[in-house]
This record gives sequence, C-alpha cells and structure tokens, in this order.
Amino acid sequence: DTAVSQTPKYLVTQMGNDKSIKCEQNLGHDTMYWYKQDSKKFLKIMFSYNNKELIINETVPNRFSPKSPDKAHLNLHINSLELGDSAVYFCASSQGTPAAFFGQGTRLTVV
Amino acid sequence: DAKTTQPPSMDCAEGRAANLPCNHSTISGNEYVYWYRQIHSQGPQYIIHGLKNNETNEMASLIITEDRKSSTLILPHATLRDTAVYYCIVRVSGGTASKLTFGTGTRLQVTL
Repeated sequence: DTAVSQTPKYLVTQMGNDKSIKCEQNLGHDTMYWYKQDSKKFLKIMFSYNNKELIINETVPNRFSPKSPDKAHLNLHINSLELGDSAVYFCASSQGTPAAFFGQGTRLTVV
Repeated sequence: DAKTTQPPSMDCAEGRAANLPCNHSTISGNEYVYWYRQIHSQGPQYIIHGLKNNETNEMASLIITEDRKSSTLILPHATLRDTAVYYCIVRVSGGTASKLTFGTGTRLQVTL
C-alpha cells in the first residue's frame, strides 16, 4: 500500500478554473504538508496541518485553500488558476519529526 | 533554521562510494542534520538524520564533524538508481511546526 498517495498525478486545466488535489496517508501520522516545486526545481512548503488544524501557512495566496476533513487527508483546492500556479505539488506527512514521507506529486499545468 | 551549502553537482562511478559534503557552519546545538533525495519526477525520500554522532542505516552513513559545522553523506556502493538530487537540511527536530526548508541540493550522477 502506498504510504502517501495523491490524486490526480497529472492535471491540465485552463486559466480561471478551480481545481482540487487530494492527498491521503495511511501511516497514522498527525501532521500533513503541501509543498510546491516550481519550474526551477525549488521545493517550498505551502501549508502544514496537525490533527486537522492549520499550523503553517507560508504566505500562500488565498486562492489556495487546504482542507483537512480528518488527520489522514489533506486536500488542496485552488481557485481562479493562474499560469504561475503551474508546478508539481507534493503532499507529505510526518509524526513528531521532520522525517517526512512524501507522495509522488501532482503535476499541474495551467494553460 | 541554519543555512546549508552543498556543491551543485557531483559524479560517481557505479560501485564506488559517493561522498556528498554539506556545510552548516551556523548550526545551533539543538539542530539536527537531515538528508533527503529526490529521484527525477518523484517525491523527496528521507535518507538519514543525526545530531552529533555518526549514523548508519540500510541506505547510507552520515558523518558529522566534531564541531558540527559540516557533514558528509556516504553511499557506500553507489548504483545507477542513486542518481538523484540530494538535499542536506538542518533544523530542530520534533514539535508540530516541523517544516523542511530545501536548498538547491547536490545533483549526483552515477555513471557506468
């Protein structure tokens, strides 16, 4: 079983659309994250949730809204998509330490 | 979190040891050294971490200097599948706000 799974793996959409990326972890971890890797390969944290509560928000535009229905899920909803949102988005989870486990990524392309 | 400095790229022959250096001269006493790698198009993968003692696991060894200002990740017998970008990250362990701050890493190319 995949420890951290994201869907979809690829997402192509037009500017202005609203889309969601889902993430689930079966590790029993309390903390989940969303990271963004841009075209230059820089990997930056966007959000972190601990037991469904937001604990890190790295000045991400409010078009990005994470939602955690339970501690095993952290979904990312993006409104009014822009060209600059094109990137690979990684979900991750951890328990107590930053030794996080990452998903395989969702490659978002906005056209 | 302390900043780290890594060489942008390294080459290693398959079967040889790959030694990846990392400088973290501003590390503080409660900060750990973590290593992750990212194989092309995949999510980052945790390798190993340590505080001040040398550490070894099934993937690699971590050697931390006595003054803790630098460390070396050792892949004892590199294979083609070890070709990846390797990230050295320094941060406090534990707590709920446990974000990882990735730098530019070292691109390791393992060749035949």
